[in-house]
Amino acid sequence: AQKITQTQPGMFVQEKEAVTLDCTYDTSDQSYGLFWYKQPSSGEMIFLIYQGSYDEQNATEGRYSLNFQKARKSANLVISASQLGDSAMYFCAMREPMIYNQGGKLIFGQGTELSVKP
Amino acid sequence: GAGVSQSPRYKVAKRGQDVALRCDPISGHVSLFWYQQALGQGPEFLTYFQNEAQLDKSGLPSDRFFAERPEGSVSTLKIQRTQQEDSAVYLCASSLAGGEGKNTIYFGEGSWLTVV
Repeated sequence: AQKITQTQPGMFVQEKEAVTLDCTYDTSDQSYGLFWYKQPSSGEMIFLIYQGSYDEQNATEGRYSLNFQKARKSANLVISASQLGDSAMYFCAMREPMIYNQGGKLIFGQGTELSVKP
Repeated sequence: GAGVSQSPRYKVAKRGQDVALRCDPISGHVSLFWYQQALGQGPEFLTYFQNEAQLDKSGLPSDRFFAERPEGSVSTLKIQRTQQEDSAVYLCASSLAGGEGKNTIYFGEGSWLTVV
């Protein structure tokens, strides 16, 4: 069964510094997708970045980059130049493959609460 | 609207009361998901629709939970005879296609249910 593990319940970072949020996953599938979402206190899950299991390059989206190490089954999120507005819960998620129209759902980790200090 | 819309945003229900939570996905999105998120936890999958067909309901915790999407757009999650353990945020999400690749799943702001 697929599983996502986020071992950091909470993280602090100084404004303007970079921070890495850890994510490891477990799956026997060859094809899968990895996502990071941000959840502020308002509750909405905001998509940040996606990495496909066959993608050779690490994904980047603005200040977000994903450090994908397939052999280690890790997909860490790196946020560069942290801003006060980055304070939120961050969830790593894995999308299982679709087989005969079944599947495709996201499986989430427990989340990491990031606090950015001025 | 531009995003996934959920209503009500907040609902307080007395134990034993039935509730209905509505989700209006992004226009044209084929796939629709419901998730349950307890306080301090990651979201847990409840059920999945492709158009009007409910293809996966393996995450529904009991037969008190029922979801429908009769015309392949708006979906309703119904919880009968609510219990305190049903208190959670219920997130709806939609995706353009059937769950392949980078088809991003977009979430709504959630319906916060408190059962007293």
